[in-house]
Amino acid sequence: DAGVIQSPRHEVTEMGQEVTLRCKPISGHNSLFWYRQTMMRGLELLIYFNNNVPIDDSGMPEDRFSAKMPNASFSTLKIQPSEPRDSAVYFCASSTGYGYTFGSGTRLTVV
Amino acid sequence: AQRVTQPEKLLSVFKGAPVELKCNYSYSGSPELFWYVQYSRQRLQLLLRHISRESIKGFTADLNKGETSFHLKKPFAQEEDSAMYYCALTDSGGYQKVTFGTGTKLQVIP
Repeated sequence: DAGVIQSPRHEVTEMGQEVTLRCKPISGHNSLFWYRQTMMRGLELLIYFNNNVPIDDSGMPEDRFSAKMPNASFSTLKIQPSEPRDSAVYFCASSTGYGYTFGSGTRLTVV
Repeated sequence: AQRVTQPEKLLSVFKGAPVELKCNYSYSGSPELFWYVQYSRQRLQLLLRHISRESIKGFTADLNKGETSFHLKKPFAQEEDSAMYYCALTDSGGYQKVTFGTGTKLQVIP
C-alpha cells in the first residue's frame, strides 16, 4: 500500500488565486481528515469525513475554504480566493481504527 | 470538550540524558491516547498508543487517569530522537477524530 497520497507536495500561488489540494486515502479507511499545520497554531483539524460524508467542518477557518469527498478514494480541499495567511502545510490523514496514517503534506505558500 | 496540553514548546537535553515530554488532557469519557512524531519536514507518524502498552524506539508512555497525564519517557536520549512530538487523544464519536496538542520540539544535543 502506498499510504495516504497528497498532491501537490509544494504549491506557490499568488494571493487571490484558487488553490486545490488533493488527497487519496488508504483503501479501506473509512475516515478522512484535513489538518493545517503552522508554527503558531500547530495542528488544526479543518474538517473530517466518515464514509465520504462530512461530519464536522467547524475547523474550517472561513467560507473561502471548502472540502469535498466525492468517493472513498479521493478528497479535495479548496481555497478560493487564497490569502498569504493561508500559507501552511496541509495534511490529509485517513483512519479505520486506532491511530491515523498521514500523508506527506502539501506545503502551500501564498505570495 | 476535549483538550490536550503540552506545556513545553521546546525541550533540549544532552545525548544520553533522560527525556520526559509532558502531556495532560481533559476529557469526559474514557480516552484513547497517542503519541505522534514528526521528523524534520516529514509526515507525522504514530509512535505509540496507550492501549498497546508498548515501547517504540525506547519510548514509553503510561496513562495516569488520576493526574490526566500521558507523559512520554525515554531513559537515554539519542540524537536521532530530535523531532516534534505530538500528544493526541481520540473522542468517543466513533469516527476516530483525534485532537492534537500543540507539540513539543525535542532537541538532543550531542
